[in-house]
Amino acid sequence: EIVLTQARGTLSLSPGERATLSCRASQSVKSHYLAWYQQKPGQAPKLLIYGASTRATGIPDRFSGSGSGTDFILTISRLEPEDFAVYYCQQYGSSPYTFGQGTKLEIK
Amino acid sequence: QLQLKESGPGLVKPWETLSLTCTVSGGSLSSQIYYWGWVRQPPGKGLEWIGSIFYRGTTSYNPSLKSRVTVSVDTSKRQFSLRLTSVTDADTAVYYCAREPNYFDNSGRLVMFDEWGQGILVTVSS
Repeated sequence: EIVLTQARGTLSLSPGERATLSCRASQSVKSHYLAWYQQKPGQAPKLLIYGASTRATGIPDRFSGSGSGTDFILTISRLEPEDFAVYYCQQYGSSPYTFGQGTKLEIK
Repeated sequence: QLQLKESGPGLVKPWETLSLTCTVSGGSLSSQIYYWGWVRQPPGKGLEWIGSIFYRGTTSYNPSLKSRVTVSVDTSKRQFSLRLTSVTDADTAVYYCAREPNYFDNSGRLVMFDEWGQGILVTVSS
């Protein structure tokens, strides 16, 4: 089983700042099969990024993903108030398909 | 617009069976280009894939739950269902149904989730 570790449990930033969230895999993630989701309180997760760097339909271009192998990054170039939420990474190339424990992005 | 909605009991006794249904509207459950799955989230914790099904009945399950899980589909009712037997308090969670694009490579399926239901909290307690 691939274990995904999101190093920062909570990240405190201000609107307008740049956010960098990391996701490290216990073994190489096959062919960039890494997705990112955003979850707001009381809501279901929302797909942001798949294929490590491809934005899902309707996702603003301030969200970008990068990385390969075992290290992946989600970057939010300039934080908007609605971006403060919990973010999860997920690998989808090897069963069982696993998620990281999440990083909470909070307003500083 | 696609909508997924979970339904079922919000309280299940220990060692009994949890049964949930997901009703699909605004889209076809019988589409060749999607699978349908279940994901759960214990209170305050992360996400766990439970299992997935294709409209023709092909299934895949998380090995950690496989002995207790059954996912089934009823295309005539536009529904797919989850059954989890012998529940304990560790099964207390919000259960989500979700749509999975039918992606695969030469090693097998690629399971990610592009649309989700609102979720339903199921508590295991006597």
